[in-house]
Amino acid sequence: LAKTTQPISMDSYEGQEVNITCSHNNIATNDYITWYQQFPSQGPRFIIQGYKTKVTNEVASLFIPADRKSSTLSLPRVSLSDTAVYYCLVGLTNSGYALNFGKGTSLLVTP
Amino acid sequence: NAGVMQNPRHLVRRRGQEARLRCSPMKGHSHVYWYRQLPEEGLKFMVYLQKENIIDESGMPKERFSAEFPKEGPSILRIQQVVRGDSAAYFCASCRSNQNTEAFFGQGTRLTVV
Repeated sequence: LAKTTQPISMDSYEGQEVNITCSHNNIATNDYITWYQQFPSQGPRFIIQGYKTKVTNEVASLFIPADRKSSTLSLPRVSLSDTAVYYCLVGLTNSGYALNFGKGTSLLVTP
Repeated sequence: NAGVMQNPRHLVRRRGQEARLRCSPMKGHSHVYWYRQLPEEGLKFMVYLQKENIIDESGMPKERFSAEFPKEGPSILRIQQVVRGDSAAYFCASCRSNQNTEAFFGQGTRLTVV
C-alpha cells in the first residue's frame, strides 16, 4: 500500500481557498487517489477521487501532477462548517487491499 | 436508500463482557470494511469482508476479535472479553464492489469499557 504524508493541521479564514497537499511517492500504476472528510463524532465522508490531472465536483477540486507522486485537494471559499479532518488515501479496493487512513489534516476555519 | 446503519451508537460494557457491533450496508453493497478509531487518531483498518467471505483480516487483533458478514443480515464485529483498551469508535463502511474506493461510512459505534 502506498504511504501518504500530509500536514497535521492547517488554519484558514472564512472565504479563503484552502489547498491541502498529500505526498504519495510510491503510488502504484493502478492506484487511485481519494479524499475523505470527517467531522467530530461522525464517520468519514467521501469528497473526491481522481487518477490523474484534474477532477472537480461541487465540493472540491483535486489536482494531480503527471508523476502522480502528490496530489492537492482544493477547497474554494471555505466556511466555518468546513472545519474537519481531511484524509488522503491511495489504493485500489481489491482483494488483498484495503482503505488505510493516516492521521489526516485537521483544518480549522475561523471567522 | 438508507445509508450505512450501525447499531448501537453507544455501547458500554464491563471488562470481560462481550461486545457485538452491527453494520447494515447500503442497499446493493456487498463489501464491508470495519475500522477502529482511538481519540485523536486516524482510522485503523481491521477487516474487509464480502458476503460469507473474509477478504482481508490483516488488521484484526489475533485474539478476542472476530467478524462476519452472513448471506442474510448485517455484518457483525464481535469482541470477546473486552478490556479497557478496546474503548474506541468502531466504524463500518460499505461499497458496491471491489473496483470502487468510494466507501460509504456509518455513524460509528462508540464502545466504552468500564
